[in-house]
Amino acid sequence: DSGVTQTPKHLITATGQRVTLRCSPRSGDLSVYWYQQSLDQGLQFLIQYYNGEERAKGNILERFSAQQFPDLHSELNLSSLELGDSALYFCASSVGRKTSGNTIYFGEGSWLTVV
Amino acid sequence: AQTVTQSQPEMSVQEAETVTLSCTYDTSESDYYLFWYKQPPSRQMILVIRQEAYKQQNATENRFSVNFQKAAKSFSLKISDSQLGDAAMYFCAYRSPAGGSEKLVFGKGTKLTVNP
Repeated sequence: DSGVTQTPKHLITATGQRVTLRCSPRSGDLSVYWYQQSLDQGLQFLIQYYNGEERAKGNILERFSAQQFPDLHSELNLSSLELGDSALYFCASSVGRKTSGNTIYFGEGSWLTVV
Repeated sequence: AQTVTQSQPEMSVQEAETVTLSCTYDTSESDYYLFWYKQPPSRQMILVIRQEAYKQQNATENRFSVNFQKAAKSFSLKISDSQLGDAAMYFCAYRSPAGGSEKLVFGKGTKLTVNP
């Protein structure tokens, strides 16, 4: 158990709909990351938050958004869903301070299927 | 931008034998971090081992060890005494130094099969 909690574990929804994925980081971790894993694109970095603020942005679509709340949990919002958004969405966390090489720990992922 | 390449889409090994998974990366940074993650059929991403680029000594974790060749930008993973539970996808990942982008850049992965 990495200590990173993601809900829901599985989600099936229709095209055009909107879903919210939730993540609770490990206790004490300030940084939260979102990754998407699909068969054709591999593991893609979406976005990172540090202590409530956006720190880095990757290949995140405009239809997707995220935020990190004062209690440090994070939500990833996916809207106007398309079939191609079907993927495993990982949340990960790390201490995130400006000390070197903090290891990033992953949650179990949220399986999203768009039908 | 940094890139990570795993040239072996699939590998197989006999139980109790040793296998080496290859990884190369491209970067202009001098200080960085490298990781191997394991993804079993459950799909959870599990950290196997990490290496700091400024350390010359290769990292080891029980049956897992790395061969880090900084000049060659190579970071291979050796699994000794392979066990059935080692069967999984293995991902090599690169991370920039502190203060830079902290995201992980992953390779495409190597699927390891362990034969009894």
